[in-house]
Amino acid sequence: GAGVSQSPSNKVTEKGKDVELRCDPISGHTALYWYRQSLGQGLEFLIYFQGNSAPDKSGLPSDRFSAERTGGSVSTLTIQRTQQEDSAVYLCASSLVALAGAETQYFGPGTRLLVL
Amino acid sequence: GNSVTQMEGPVTLSEEAFLTINCTYTATGYPSLFWYVQYPGEGLQLLLKATKADDKGSNKGFEATYRKETTSFHLEKGSVQVSDSAVYFCALADTNAGKSTFGDGTTLTVKP
Repeated sequence: GAGVSQSPSNKVTEKGKDVELRCDPISGHTALYWYRQSLGQGLEFLIYFQGNSAPDKSGLPSDRFSAERTGGSVSTLTIQRTQQEDSAVYLCASSLVALAGAETQYFGPGTRLLVL
Repeated sequence: GNSVTQMEGPVTLSEEAFLTINCTYTATGYPSLFWYVQYPGEGLQLLLKATKADDKGSNKGFEATYRKETTSFHLEKGSVQVSDSAVYFCALADTNAGKSTFGDGTTLTVKP
């Protein structure tokens, strides 16, 4: 399909381990976003990328979280030394242009992370 | 900073009832406003949007009007169906930056 894809769909890890979450945006979309959705909560912004500009990392909750986007396409969100409070659904979205403000974001199915 | 406050749920209605889900926002400038919906087992998807004051977004019988004077974007539908059962998120996008701010979501259950 042509939608946003994320992998893995589910990840169970032990406290203290590192995890990598992958996002493949819609082809041609220059903007990519990561959000976190904890149980019963809304979406918490983490980071976004727009083209070749420096990413907006203002939502990353700690320095254990990082993300990169290679070649303006695929993005990887890395969580180091995972903690139980990191358990959540991690959502990726992409859009044509971020700075226009009115662009619709297209969401992937999410990665459900459980830290034991 | 920007914020979005949604009516707390869950909301349970009978089929064909009128629906209102309240959403108010705080933002600098003139954001765009969105309603996203998450059906059971599916990903978030756009339901409707409005980009400037007094604009009305509409889709699938749902409507919301961008009210700058009351900083609101309430979602309405005249006659809900069982298939409308989902979680609804109000969101705003800052026109000067890429990131969006989402409300906590409102769970709607429609009973036959």
